[in-house]
Amino acid sequence: RKEVEQDPGPFNVPEGATVAFNCTYSNSASQSFFWYRQDCRKEPKLLMSVYSSGNEDGRFTAQLNRASQYISLLIRDSKLSDSATYLCVVNRVYGQNFVFGPGTRLSVLP
Amino acid sequence: NAGVTQTPKFQVLKTGQSMTLQCAQDMNHNSMYWYRQDPGMGLRLIYYSASEGTTDKGEVPNGYNVSRLNKREFSLRLESAAPSQTSVYFCASSSGLGTDTQYFGPGTRLTVL
Repeated sequence: RKEVEQDPGPFNVPEGATVAFNCTYSNSASQSFFWYRQDCRKEPKLLMSVYSSGNEDGRFTAQLNRASQYISLLIRDSKLSDSATYLCVVNRVYGQNFVFGPGTRLSVLP
Repeated sequence: NAGVTQTPKFQVLKTGQSMTLQCAQDMNHNSMYWYRQDPGMGLRLIYYSASEGTTDKGEVPNGYNVSRLNKREFSLRLESAAPSQTSVYFCASSSGLGTDTQYFGPGTRLTVL
């Protein structure tokens, strides 16, 4: 089993739709959590950190459930420009710091 | 600030050739990383350097060597390139402190024939 797993995707949604991505992690000692966005043939870029209390940044909402070892990302009112691959990332305390999930690809259709 | 820079952007090698990928960051970060990304495989850690003077193997270190030249620079060397090393290589850095986030360079697209 991979340490970080994500919805396999791809997700194809119409503009304006709400879409949710799920991520689970297996290492209970993980300390911090992130969502990154990667556009085709580009480097990953930080979208948002994920906090235990949940956090929101405009149309994006991230949630963390430590008990279930589960992270989510909700995108409301999808735009064409949201089309990308979304990577769930977990930071361990020791050793290799950052562990990346395989990513979920989103295509927002006109 | 340029952030994380990588050279070259593209490279084609023949099997058995060697090359060094260069990475530099200007954010005064302690930690630096090399990843490879293959279609359907996600990002896989090759080597990392938690701080200047230290390097450690990641998930897929075979066929690679690294040098943390100073706090700014972290290079990745392929001594004898193989077709299996055809990939996109990303360098990243992070502060290595507290709640940490990684910043990536633009990547090097390497093809080994």
